[in-house]
Amino acid sequence: ETGVTQTPRHLVMGMTNKKSLKCEQHLGHNAMYWYKQSAKKPLELMFVYNFKEQTENNSVPSRFSPECPNSSHLFLHLHTLQPEDSALYLCASSQPPAGGRGDTEAFFGQGTRLTVV
Amino acid sequence: GDSVTQMEGPVTLSEEAFLTINCTYTATGYPSLFWYVQYPGEGLQLLLKATKADDKGSNKGFEATYRKETTSFHLEKGSVQVSDSAVYFCALISTGNQFYFGTGTSLTVIP
Repeated sequence: ETGVTQTPRHLVMGMTNKKSLKCEQHLGHNAMYWYKQSAKKPLELMFVYNFKEQTENNSVPSRFSPECPNSSHLFLHLHTLQPEDSALYLCASSQPPAGGRGDTEAFFGQGTRLTVV
Repeated sequence: GDSVTQMEGPVTLSEEAFLTINCTYTATGYPSLFWYVQYPGEGLQLLLKATKADDKGSNKGFEATYRKETTSFHLEKGSVQVSDSAVYFCALISTGNQFYFGTGTSLTVIP
């Protein structure tokens, strides 16, 4: 148990569906991340939120829409996905160190296994 | 930009063999370096880390030393077990508080 909880663990959706992935952390962290993990590909950073503000959108298609209503929750809204979007979606959180660098680490959830049919 | 390069897998070893997984990095400034492990069906877990040059991170028999002169952070273990079978990711955190991960190296240990 890392302190980062993702729901659901598994999701199957059609290409015309709308669904949302949820991530929750009560570690007091102020940075949250969405990553996409596909088979035989590097871990892809999708979005970064620092203090509830989106600071990174790594050229992600608009069919993925993040939302960070507070520092403990992060959502990924999905609509009109494609089969190639099937992957493991990982949420992570960290505490930005004071002064910009220092002792920190990312804590990951167990991921949501998404299958688009 | 910042990046991490780690050796391609998969790696298959016999139990009690010596393990090395190479990792090199490119970064501006002085990043902290990490090894994460992902067991089947799980998210990534921190295995060890080092925050400055010459630091050695260690955990569960795994070690890695932050080598600034060679920009490397190779993972080693003297005697692997079947339970070490997993995917291992090298990572760094940039001065902009962004994590960069390598592609992952799959390790299978056979009895």
